[in-house]
Amino acid sequence: DTEVTQTPKHLVMGMTNKKSLKCEQHMGHRAMYWYKQKAKKPPELMFVYSYEKLSINESVPSRFSPECPNSSLLNLHLHALQPEDSALYLCASSQDGRGFETQYFGPGTRLLVL
Amino acid sequence: DQQVKQNSPSLSVQEGRISILNCDYTNSMFDYFLWYKKYPAEGPTFLISISSIKDKNEDGRFTVFLNKSAKHLSLHIVPSQPGDSAVYFCAASAQTGANNLFFGTGTRLTVIP
Repeated sequence: DTEVTQTPKHLVMGMTNKKSLKCEQHMGHRAMYWYKQKAKKPPELMFVYSYEKLSINESVPSRFSPECPNSSLLNLHLHALQPEDSALYLCASSQDGRGFETQYFGPGTRLLVL
Repeated sequence: DQQVKQNSPSLSVQEGRISILNCDYTNSMFDYFLWYKKYPAEGPTFLISISSIKDKNEDGRFTVFLNKSAKHLSLHIVPSQPGDSAVYFCAASAQTGANNLFFGTGTRLTVIP
């Protein structure tokens, strides 16, 4: 089973809203990732958690706040977003965040900020 | 600065023929390379990978070739099937880089029945 699930599938929010994206995997992986993908562009890394600790934050604005409650779950809390934050948000997981690993992706949450 | 490049945004191939997708990279620290397939409104699906100690890896209809001196890899699909129509991304990572994946811009493959 190489399934990563993400909810919701679609999200529309205003610039003053607070919302959360959720990601779950049951592969026993200890590394989880958030990527952002704009139209016709490749995915870009936002955050990496390894063993439930934030190991990489790629200079992401503070209006995006990640949380890893346990090794199976990853959240992305959103607050005061801008229209340019509209994108596909992808979650991925891998064995433990070290080299030579395959990352498995979820289906993504398509976010629209009005 | 795009460290992984796919210079062909699209490719059309007849069903049954070979599809060859190309990818170039600039960072000599990259040592693990992957190909993902992506359908619209879905996340990338892992296809095949290769580490820098090999120059070829094969899995069924899919073969990835790595030329380290040229910093070039390619994905061969043979025979191509209509269900292979999708966007293909190559990605690279460095063992020292905490598994950060750098993606190319993708190639849209269309297999014509």
